[in-house]
Amino acid sequence: AQTVTQSQPEMSVQEAETVTLSCTYDTSESDYYLFWYKQPPSRQMILVIRQEAYKQQNATENRFSVNFQKAAKSFSLKISDSQLGDAAMYFCAYRGVNYGGSQGNLIFGKGTKLSVKP
Amino acid sequence: NAGVTQTPKFQVLKTGQSMTLQCAQDMNHNSMYWYRQDPGMGLRLIYYSASEGTTDKGEVPNGYNVSRLNKREFSLRLESAAPSQTSVYFCASSPRDGFNQPQHFGDGTRLSIL
Repeated sequence: AQTVTQSQPEMSVQEAETVTLSCTYDTSESDYYLFWYKQPPSRQMILVIRQEAYKQQNATENRFSVNFQKAAKSFSLKISDSQLGDAAMYFCAYRGVNYGGSQGNLIFGKGTKLSVKP
Repeated sequence: NAGVTQTPKFQVLKTGQSMTLQCAQDMNHNSMYWYRQDPGMGLRLIYYSASEGTTDKGEVPNGYNVSRLNKREFSLRLESAAPSQTSVYFCASSPRDGFNQPQHFGDGTRLSIL
């Protein structure tokens, strides 16, 4: 079964600095998708960035970028120029395309709580 | 605004009571999902509906039932609530085609079982 591991329960960053959140996953599939979701105190789940496994190029979305290492099964999120509004729980999620009968289901890590210091 | 709407936002139940959580989406998505989120855990899938008329168990289905009422609505029922079901429940939806399409989440329901 696929698993997603976020080894950092909490992280802290100074405003305007850069922080990297780690995520590793385990799968035997060759084709899949990876996502980072942000959950602020409001409880909403907000998509931050996505990565297709067949694409070698790392995804970027403004200040957010990923370092996708397929062979190492690693998918880290880098936040540049951190802002106070970036403070939230961040969840890494995996989505296989042939996950038994439950295609399209997300498998989440346990999350990393990011604090941003002014 | 378009999106996923969950009702209620908060609920307190006594052990043994029943409850239905409602979810509706207006994005014409085919697939819908119910997750629960517990402290220190990521979201775990309870049930999903890949398309109208179908439902399947996820990782933690025990104690729950679901109904895909139509394409828009997907409800989650607790027949006899237990304290272990105290959690935050999220409904989500996505297009069936295109696994790179993200799931869109509702704002969650905080459920407490006393």
